[in-house]
Amino acid sequence: AQSVTQLGSHVSVSEGALVLLRCNYSSSVPPYLFWYVQYPNQGLQLLLKYTTGATLVKGINGFEAEFKKSETSFHLTKPSAHMSDAAEYFCAVSEINFGNEKLTFGTGTRLTIIP
Amino acid sequence: DAGVTQSPTHLIKTRGQQVTLRCSPKSGHDTVSWYQQALGQGPQFIFQYYEEEERQRGNFPDRFSGHQFPNYSSELNVNALLLGDSALYLCASSLYWTGFSNYGYTFGSGTRLTVV
Repeated sequence: AQSVTQLGSHVSVSEGALVLLRCNYSSSVPPYLFWYVQYPNQGLQLLLKYTTGATLVKGINGFEAEFKKSETSFHLTKPSAHMSDAAEYFCAVSEINFGNEKLTFGTGTRLTIIP
Repeated sequence: DAGVTQSPTHLIKTRGQQVTLRCSPKSGHDTVSWYQQALGQGPQFIFQYYEEEERQRGNFPDRFSGHQFPNYSSELNVNALLLGDSALYLCASSLYWTGFSNYGYTFGSGTRLTVV
């Protein structure tokens, strides 16, 4: 079974500083990886996804992630944090069984932005 | 373009009761998946419906059941509620997987279920 591990349940950065949220995956087949963001009392919003092709993936709100097969990682970064980035972030891996897709999520990282 | 709609937004039930949650998928989507998100945790896959059939299921007891209607909307039913069933229940819609471009879901805002 596929799984993801998010290192650090809480991350705090200063406004304008680099954001780095870590995700490592375990998969027996080429993985399809996602980052979702969840604001308080809301559902999940897709930030970006990696399926095939370019290993550096750009998403919404200035976020990007790099797929590194050798390190089994898919870390999320943003060069300059904004107050509006404060939220919960989830890494997920997709598993396909006979055409049926399901997502397996990590436990999440809560991002706090310090003014 | 309407996204995924879930109802109700909040619900309080007593232990032992039964509850039904509803989901309307995003326009054009034909597959509905349900996830349970306990407080402070990531979402856990409950089951997935396509063509009105349960296609795959996560590690949840039979107290959790579902249904998909011809218009692709779906219901999640939970019987004999336990305190541990208190969680945010998320519905996600997607297109049945036909290739790389279809990966990923559109999530609704969820139903917050509190069991007392």
